[in-house]
Amino acid sequence: EAGVTQSPTHLIKTRGQQATLRCSPISGHTSVYWYQQALGLGLQFLLWYDEGEERNRGNFPPRFSGRQFPNYSSELNVNALELEDSALYLCASSPDLNEQFFGPGTRLTVL
Amino acid sequence: GEDVEQSLFLSVREGDSSVINCTYTDSSSTYLYWYKQEPGAGLQLLTYIFSNMDMKQDQRLTVLLNKKDKHLSLRIADTQTGDSAIYFCAESPNSGNTPLVFGKGTRLSVIA
Repeated sequence: EAGVTQSPTHLIKTRGQQATLRCSPISGHTSVYWYQQALGLGLQFLLWYDEGEERNRGNFPPRFSGRQFPNYSSELNVNALELEDSALYLCASSPDLNEQFFGPGTRLTVL
Repeated sequence: GEDVEQSLFLSVREGDSSVINCTYTDSSSTYLYWYKQEPGAGLQLLTYIFSNMDMKQDQRLTVLLNKKDKHLSLRIADTQTGDSAIYFCAESPNSGNTPLVFGKGTRLSVIA
């Protein structure tokens, strides 16, 4: 069974640009979660999508947004990039509210 | 509010046991998890325990749960250099609309 996949692996942008990160969940999982892991800050919950709807959102500004497609894959968009947005962005999928399975992450660097 | 606390660093010698501790706040959490993150990688689920259990053993891993004190620990027996990683504790709050809450992670360094 294929695991959670994320693309791209690395992304380099400059301040003010927009970034789009993609995630494909494990087949049969309807929930997708996005986390930001900045250096020294642990995992910060960003967004949770389930069945195409945004279910919950972490304490991040509106320039962090996303969506979930009918096939349950998901995009995370970050507008007006700032230097402090540089981080590893992790996606996880889950068949329910409990166990989450993580992808390898997208490392975003903002110059 | 929900908060999961872990110590940030732990250093042990190869072959010794490692014990990583975690405290959580939501007494109604149904499951508690331990995840492992190796350098540059995503998180890998190591083990989990259901809240009505006190202990779970899985090969070299032992999870102990003290619900009264809201304390969770992960013991790694015969720690190896390949166990060097960041270990995250997470709780599953029983509030219906909240995903897992993670601690900040404990960086385990294994000295050969």
